Amino acid sequence: QLQLQESGSGLVKPSQTLSLTCTVSGDSIGSGGYSWNWIRQSPAMGLEWIGYIYHSGSVDYNPSLKSRATISIDTSKNEFSLELNSVTAADTAMYYCARSLVVATTFFDYWGQGALVTVSS
Amino acid sequence: QTVVTQEPSVTVSPGGTVTLTCGSNTGLVTTAYYPAWFQLKPGQPPRALIFGTNNKHSWTPARFSGSLLGGKAALTLSRVQSDDEADYYCVLYYRRVFVFGSGTKVTVV
Repeated sequence: QLQLQESGSGLVKPSQTLSLTCTVSGDSIGSGGYSWNWIRQSPAMGLEWIGYIYHSGSVDYNPSLKSRATISIDTSKNEFSLELNSVTAADTAMYYCARSLVVATTFFDYWGQGALVTVSS
Repeated sequence: QTVVTQEPSVTVSPGGTVTLTCGSNTGLVTTAYYPAWFQLKPGQPPRALIFGTNNKHSWTPARFSGSLLGGKAALTLSRVQSDDEADYYCVLYYRRVFVFGSGTKVTVV
């Protein structure tokens, strides 16, 4: 059974960098065929896709966040990460990591439980 | 900027049928947008229901179905149960960006 678990900073000060990691268990993140995604949910914005990464390291981002987001992958640790810089209160949200299929783009079958990130001084 | 529209809320009686829709300001929604649907309940992560317009996951109730209807993506909930009360979000894939709708709150009364 595949499991994804988010971890990272729960409270971030404005203008600083949000850092989250998604640890995957039950399958190898390096096996290919999947995209590994970050998605966030807030009362103001609803669900918002941040970006994804392939096992090869190829990435794609939501243009609205592209200048501030960086997604990386560490296949040796079976995890992938998100950094979002220059955060503001608008970045306060529940952050989810999720898997999707390359050949079935909107598959999104497995999700983590989510990590609540609050941006506040 | 792509905007995906959904009905804000619908009410359905137990045992009834309701259809939720998902439109786009880019024009007609087609299979090329790979529409998908998710169910959200408080305190839980989104649960995928439909992908690629009308494909069900192994856990998707047979009562739920996806389609295209009148230029929009649609999710039909049949024989509705109290446990179906939740928020339902669609997502479209357009120009390499996943864009979520604003969600539809389904109330079962």
